[in-house]
Amino acid sequence: ETGVTQTPRHLVMGMTNKKSLKCEQHLGHNAMYWYKQSAKKPLELMFVYNFKEQTENNSVPSRFSPECPNSSHLFLHLHTLQPEDSALYLCASSASSLGTDTQYFGPGTRLTVL
Amino acid sequence: QKEVEQNSGPLSVPEGAIASLNCTYSDRGSQSFFWYRQYSGKSPELIMSIYSNGDKEDGRFTAQLNKASQYVSLLIRDSQPSDSATYLCALGGGYQKVTFGIGTKLQVIP
Repeated sequence: ETGVTQTPRHLVMGMTNKKSLKCEQHLGHNAMYWYKQSAKKPLELMFVYNFKEQTENNSVPSRFSPECPNSSHLFLHLHTLQPEDSALYLCASSASSLGTDTQYFGPGTRLTVL
Repeated sequence: QKEVEQNSGPLSVPEGAIASLNCTYSDRGSQSFFWYRQYSGKSPELIMSIYSNGDKEDGRFTAQLNKASQYVSLLIRDSQPSDSATYLCALGGGYQKVTFGIGTKLQVIP
């Protein structure tokens, strides 16, 4: 069991639905991340938050909208998704957003877009 | 743009053998190197991190870093079936974000 939790673990949604993914870290970290993991592709960094401020938006389509109300919670709001958005969405946290810090991952949300 | 190259495998080794996983990278400015293990259906977990040239050992695992040749490797001694997983190489440095490789799938055959 890691110090990073994610809900829901599985999500099936239609292209017109709106849903949100939730991530919570209990490690006292200041940086949080959203990654997308698709088959046969490297982990794709989507967003980085450091002390609640977004520091990275890796050219992610606007149908993905992140929210970080505090250093412990991170959300990913989803709307009008496409079938190609089906993937494993991983949340991670680290002490800081420096590239020298170890990232700790949550269990992920398996998203299927019909 | 940093690139991290890994052979996706699968790499098959018999139980008890040494598994050697390799990773090359393009950005000479990289300072931190990580090996993560990801079991099927699970999230990545850190195995080892290494920051300076040479070897770093932790139990059955040894990470090797050669910055001049731009490669980092992970050796697993006495491989066990429970080591069967995908091993992700990642690197970062300073204010640079961490970049992950595609991962190498390791199969340890009993």
